[in-house]
Amino acid sequence: NAGVTQTPKFRVLKTGQSMTLLCAQDMNHEYMYWYRQDPGMGLRLIHYSVGEGTTAKGEVPDGYNVSRLKKQNFLLGLESAAPSQTSVYFCATAPPGQLNEKLFFGSGTQLSVL
Amino acid sequence: AQKITQTQPGMFVQEKEAVTLDCTYDTSDPSYGLFWYKQPSSGEMIFLIYQGSYDQQNATEGRYSLNFQKARKSANLVISASQLGDSAMYFCAMIESGAGSYQLTFGKGTKLSVIP
Repeated sequence: NAGVTQTPKFRVLKTGQSMTLLCAQDMNHEYMYWYRQDPGMGLRLIHYSVGEGTTAKGEVPDGYNVSRLKKQNFLLGLESAAPSQTSVYFCATAPPGQLNEKLFFGSGTQLSVL
Repeated sequence: AQKITQTQPGMFVQEKEAVTLDCTYDTSDPSYGLFWYKQPSSGEMIFLIYQGSYDQQNATEGRYSLNFQKARKSANLVISASQLGDSAMYFCAMIESGAGSYQLTFGKGTKLSVIP
């Protein structure tokens, strides 16, 4: 089982360029999340989805868009990348229901915007 | 106001000693859960332990235990008999039932270094 797969693992962009990060899961989980991790800031929620066709804003959504056209995929888009978006991006998934359901994380994407 | 506060940016512990990593939280929701995750230098996020707000006993998982003090709103992680492989970032996180969509809020983390 692959679990949660993020592509790409590394990317370097120039300011103003666009890109899409893909999160794919084979666990049939309803909930999917995009977090960014910055030094000294912990993980902050960008956007999330509670099911196919749904998306919602998290704590730091500005500059990002998402789509969940298929249950197993959650895409994070940067339309016009800025240096402030240099970060490590994590996708996570969870089944719906109980509070004690842990998140399953992908391995992360290191993004640098020059 | 921060929902999760980890006041120790960095900690050192001697190998085989016990260490406590602090976490305080802020919520008015009576139903919530608290998690600890470990992030080694490889970058992966590893689930360690969970404590529910209604759980009567402190959670334990092997060498990890959670010192849950509800009135003080603290959920400290205790690692017994530290090993070199415990050197990592540790994140405390909270889920509130009122959030509805299962949003996990993370603290800023504590970097633990185990000294041989």
